[in-house]
Amino acid sequence: DSGVTQTPKHLITATGQRVTLRCSPRSGDLSVYWYQQSLDQGLQFLIQYYNGEERAKGNILERFSAQQFPDLHSELNLSSLELGDSALYFCASSPRGGTGELFFGEGSRLTVL
Amino acid sequence: AQSVTQLGSHVSVSEGALVLLRCNYSSSVPPYLFWYVQYPNQGLQLLLKYTSAATLVKGINGFEAEFKKSETSFHLTKPSAHMSDAAEYFCAVGNFGNEKLTFGTGTRLTIIP
Repeated sequence: DSGVTQTPKHLITATGQRVTLRCSPRSGDLSVYWYQQSLDQGLQFLIQYYNGEERAKGNILERFSAQQFPDLHSELNLSSLELGDSALYFCASSPRGGTGELFFGEGSRLTVL
Repeated sequence: AQSVTQLGSHVSVSEGALVLLRCNYSSSVPPYLFWYVQYPNQGLQLLLKYTSAATLVKGINGFEAEFKKSETSFHLTKPSAHMSDAAEYFCAVGNFGNEKLTFGTGTRLTIIP
């Protein structure tokens, strides 16, 4: 158990819909990262938050948005869903003063039909 | 800019044989290097990391990796494969001050009884 909690574990929805994925980082970690894992794209970095502020942005679509709340949990919002958005979405956190290692949650598997 | 190349998307070895998973990196600054393992339907788990200390790094489950700057490589090895080692393995690169990790495309390891 990494200490990173993600909900829901599985989600099935239709094209055009909107979903929210939730992540609670490890106790004490201020940074939260979102990654997308798909068969054709591999593991892609989406976005990073540090103590409520956006820190880095990767290959995140404009239809996607995220935020980190004062209690440090984070939400990834995916809207106008397309078939190609079907993937595993991972949240990770990293310790303060660490050397870059990430601790991953078990992921949220999104299926868009 | 940084990138990772994992040679071989699938590797099969016999139980008890040497495991060798290849990773080459590119980084414009001194890198931090990581190996992660992903078991089916689970998140990524840190196996080991290199952060500019000893070049031979030992990790969990009997795995180790050697940082070779001249070859820009960070290959993962294990002397004797076990059935429980069957999983997908990801190499990742980061660096000091840049907390975003860049992952390779992964190598699926199959163990033959």
